[in-house]
Amino acid sequence: GQQLNQSPQSMFIQEGEDVSMNCTSSSIFNTWLWYKQDPGEGPVLLIALYKAGELTSNGRLTAQFGITRKDSFLNISASIPSDVGIYFCGSSNTGKLIFGQGTTLQVKP
Amino acid sequence: GAGVSQSPSNKVTEKGKDVELRCDPISGHTALYWYRQSLGQGLEFLIYFQGNSAPDKSGLPSDRFSAERTGGSVSTLTIQRTQQEDSAVYLCASSLAAVRGFNEKLFFGSGTQLSVL
Repeated sequence: GQQLNQSPQSMFIQEGEDVSMNCTSSSIFNTWLWYKQDPGEGPVLLIALYKAGELTSNGRLTAQFGITRKDSFLNISASIPSDVGIYFCGSSNTGKLIFGQGTTLQVKP
Repeated sequence: GAGVSQSPSNKVTEKGKDVELRCDPISGHTALYWYRQSLGQGLEFLIYFQGNSAPDKSGLPSDRFSAERTGGSVSTLTIQRTQQEDSAVYLCASSLAAVRGFNEKLFFGSGTQLSVL
């Protein structure tokens, strides 16, 4: 079936550093999404991308929809301690949304 | 309600017993989704509903798993004869509709932590 491969699996960085993570698939998708999950909570939508090549920002977060429609990346600039959490990429072609395995981010003050 | 509500928040059961997990979506949201998150794992799709219909049940791991939704609102995920590998957090989410432009904006509940001993 369709799968999203997310990397890296985890990151441990210093506060102030920039972060980059990505998601790839062998399938073509119409939509790419990035969610963040805080401990003990459900994931929350950060950015939604709808067009190949689209580059969208949300504060310190920037995400891009790959031209091939098979990948996406998320960048976080100037990380802060509250950026800690699990970041999931997600995608859909139909009503069903699927998600990657997640990237666990830890930020050292 | 103000958000997606799931109950119970924690459930401990013995192997072989049946369990029911409940999800109350945001009022007016016609689409409802169930996901499973095992420790340190990603979000595994189980099933989604548009209204009371389930167009895609492909993620249900086995015939021990079933879900229903009545009145276009509350949904129940039932696991029969639970096994230890069923232990996970079961997350429910809802959206205005299960169509592009709406279904990306999922609102998740806080989940039910299921532990099978």
